[in-house]
Amino acid sequence: GQQLNQSPQSMFIQEGEDVSMNCTSSSIFNTWLWYKQEPGEGPVLLIALYKAGELTSNGRLTAQFGITRKDSFLNISASIPSDVGIYFCAGPRIQGAQKLVFGQGTRLTINP
Amino acid sequence: DTAVSQTPKYLVTQMGNDKSIKCEQNLGHDTMYWYKQDSKKFLKIMFSYNNKELIINETVPNRFSPKSPDKAHLNLHINSLELGDSAVYFCASSHDGGRNYGYTFGSGTRLTVV
Repeated sequence: GQQLNQSPQSMFIQEGEDVSMNCTSSSIFNTWLWYKQEPGEGPVLLIALYKAGELTSNGRLTAQFGITRKDSFLNISASIPSDVGIYFCAGPRIQGAQKLVFGQGTRLTINP
Repeated sequence: DTAVSQTPKYLVTQMGNDKSIKCEQNLGHDTMYWYKQDSKKFLKIMFSYNNKELIINETVPNRFSPKSPDKAHLNLHINSLELGDSAVYFCASSHDGGRNYGYTFGSGTRLTVV
């Protein structure tokens, strides 16, 4: 099926470090989305990718749409305490009624 | 100014009760959704409505009944609540099924069944 596998599941880093996480699927996605969820809140869209090979930045965040269309990567440079949260990759199911499927999330913890 | 608002934020209730969660969006989106987030933070779609019409029902028990009185509102009614229904329920909305713009989520309703 169109399941998304994220890794790592959790990360513990020092403030100032760079962060990399990825998302893979056994199926092709035509759009990749990266969301961030903070405690007590809903997921918020960070970056949307629409084309294979696309590299898009949003401040210190950079995401890439893999060439095979089966993976995507999110990098955070020079992490700060407010980067703490759970990062989800997501993609729309290709067949049938449109729905967004999510990865399991990467929980980011930052030590000041 | 809240784009997608859900009420209540917290809901604690006993097993067997019936409860409702309400959702409203002021973004002019045509599609609304209910997602369930379990204790491991996994987000799974439950229902989707497009212009008041049910388009996705992801094998959710019949005890869950969504209702969309208009395209800006999507409510979720749950009958005979069970312990396993405890989770955070998120409402979301999108334009054009979220194909290009992703979804906008509410801040969630934490349901605890005791």
